[in-house]
Amino acid sequence: GAVVSQHPSRVICKSGTSVKIECRSLDFQATTMFWYRQFPKQSLMLMATSNEGSKATYEQGVEKDKFLINHASLTLSTLTVTSAHPEDSSFYICSARRGGRETQYFGPGTRLLVL
Amino acid sequence: AQSVTQPDIHITVSEGASLELRCNYSYGATPYLFWYVQSPGQGLQLLLKYFSGDTLVQGIKGFEAEFKRSQSSFNLRKPSVHWSDAAEYFCAVGEDDYKLSFGAGTTVTVRA
Repeated sequence: GAVVSQHPSRVICKSGTSVKIECRSLDFQATTMFWYRQFPKQSLMLMATSNEGSKATYEQGVEKDKFLINHASLTLSTLTVTSAHPEDSSFYICSARRGGRETQYFGPGTRLLVL
Repeated sequence: AQSVTQPDIHITVSEGASLELRCNYSYGATPYLFWYVQSPGQGLQLLLKYFSGDTLVQGIKGFEAEFKRSQSSFNLRKPSVHWSDAAEYFCAVGEDDYKLSFGAGTTVTVRA
């Protein structure tokens, strides 16, 4: 149990376009989902926390208009990178937890390359 | 603010040898501590976690970790390493609401 999927696994897009990444909890209901960004050979940096049915909470320095997060259901959260630029190229990882003091389960990540 | 330090960027170990990965944390209250493993291009898999109770925690794949409050450490160990253990290992500390802060990671290379 506790499987989290992400789609797509990798995406290449042109500069200026928008890209949507989906995060799904396959076998449990996730009241909270998290979005992380990981640069090559570096650790994960938390971008935002998303609770089902409410607005996401963004970490300091993360542009909420740039990285739109929607958590419309208990099994799906989406991250949209708007007007992507090459510096947005990165590995984006989501995680999900059932709620309360539960463990986070991580998705396999999405590799974004902006040309 | 919480922070996590993994002093070793890269460790090389022979197959069958023991492995210890260091993790030190800074946190004002009782921490929630985690070790995750990441294979190349993959997401993170939870190896083990500590919330309270017994300070020696057993995890998956033969890993264990010991919480030492006096040293603010949560080191990961495995008695005998397999080639499949080659990966990136991350230590993390959680806030009360479980927002995780990760260390920079330690790359483990296993030589035959």
